[in-house]
Amino acid sequence: AAGVIQSPRHLIKEKRETATLKCYPIPRHDTVYWYQQGPGQDPQFLISFYEKMQSDKGSIPDRFSAQQFSDYHSELNMSSLELGDSALYFCASSLGRDYSQAQYFGPGTRLTVL
Amino acid sequence: GNSVTQMEGPVTLSEEAFLTINCTYTATGYPSLFWYVQYPGEGLQLLLKATKADDKGSNKGFEATYRKETTSFHLEKGSVQVSDSAVYFCALSDLGGGADGLTFGKGTHLIIQP
Repeated sequence: AAGVIQSPRHLIKEKRETATLKCYPIPRHDTVYWYQQGPGQDPQFLISFYEKMQSDKGSIPDRFSAQQFSDYHSELNMSSLELGDSALYFCASSLGRDYSQAQYFGPGTRLTVL
Repeated sequence: GNSVTQMEGPVTLSEEAFLTINCTYTATGYPSLFWYVQYPGEGLQLLLKATKADDKGSNKGFEATYRKETTSFHLEKGSVQVSDSAVYFCALSDLGGGADGLTFGKGTHLIIQP
């Protein structure tokens, strides 16, 4: 079965640079979520989109922005990168925003900021 | 707000032992509950879910029952294998309470010895 695709899988950036992470949801899934997982930590919700509109916002820094496109893929844009932004970034998708729907996670993008 | 509390680890067991990982929650609304598993270097995989009180989720020999009276969702397996070694996250979805993102526990690192 098709899964969530994330690219790139690994990314190395310098401080103050920008980064763009991409997420391709499971086919027919219309809701995308972004999470940040620090080393040894649980994932923290950043932002979500439903039918190309921002649905909910979590602990996303103002330096980050995201959008969902007409084909339902999503991009997380990160600017003025800081050392503390080094983490695993997961994208998840679900079919609709129904509370009973599980979120299916991609393999993640490991961002290292030097 | 919402929160999930689970036993942290590491939890070390011998192969074929009985497993219990405790999970309790607090939620604003009526949440759905999930267990996710994360193998080293990989994303989170949905293990099982339950969406209402007394529901039992089960998969791959693991099971958990949604107990509203004790606000718990403990994960159990009758006979663990070395391949079950991973980090297990308990999570809740509280869309009815206005939150899109999953709220995760801190994760339980499970180590199964041959």
